[in-house]
Amino acid sequence: DQQVKQNSPSLSVQEGRISILNCDYTNSMFDYFLWYKKYPAEGPTFLISISSIKDKNEDGRFTVFLNKSAKHLSLHIVPSQPGDSAVYFCAATRVFDMRFGAGTRLTVKP
Amino acid sequence: NAGVTQTPKFRILKIGQSMTLQCTQDMNHNYMYWYRQDPGMGLKLIYYSVGAGITDKGEVPNGYNVSRSTTEDFPLRLELAAPSQTSVYFCASSYRAGGPDTQYFGPGTRLTVL
Repeated sequence: DQQVKQNSPSLSVQEGRISILNCDYTNSMFDYFLWYKKYPAEGPTFLISISSIKDKNEDGRFTVFLNKSAKHLSLHIVPSQPGDSAVYFCAATRVFDMRFGAGTRLTVKP
Repeated sequence: NAGVTQTPKFRILKIGQSMTLQCTQDMNHNYMYWYRQDPGMGLKLIYYSVGAGITDKGEVPNGYNVSRSTTEDFPLRLELAAPSQTSVYFCASSYRAGGPDTQYFGPGTRLTVL
């Protein structure tokens, strides 16, 4: 059962514009949601997280929004930069159980 | 401070062979994890450990074994390799379990079983 879904396998945006990556989940017991970034031949690296009791968390150019009623979260990157080009994974966690989405490949064009 | 290191980076196995994927972390983290990532899929938890001598199954443990004799090392053992175990394997560690604390990932081991 796929409890975390990223329905867009890829996204392409122009440098300087906003990138919006989306993620849906099914299990209301998750208590934290995280975004990881992954470059080729490397492991995922942590980007930003949000508690299930919050609806927004911001860190520099990155903002994560959580809509609990819709079981949906999104990552906004503003402004997008070519160095942001990578695969982004959404993850949801409850203690030891961390479930990942399949990832969205973001390409930021100069 | 090397973080999480994994060896080997690549390996090709024949069906029925066995091997051990090595994982070491130097951050003194109690929690360690093994994940696999199949093409086009997210990472799935195979096993995790909450400290030396304590391990437990994750979402997809069949065909694998683990041990944790020290805080630093968490090897993953494949006893009878099968084509379904062709995947990229990631080891991770964290200071605490769950919550906002990130897991730190190694660079991965790409395993092909033919």
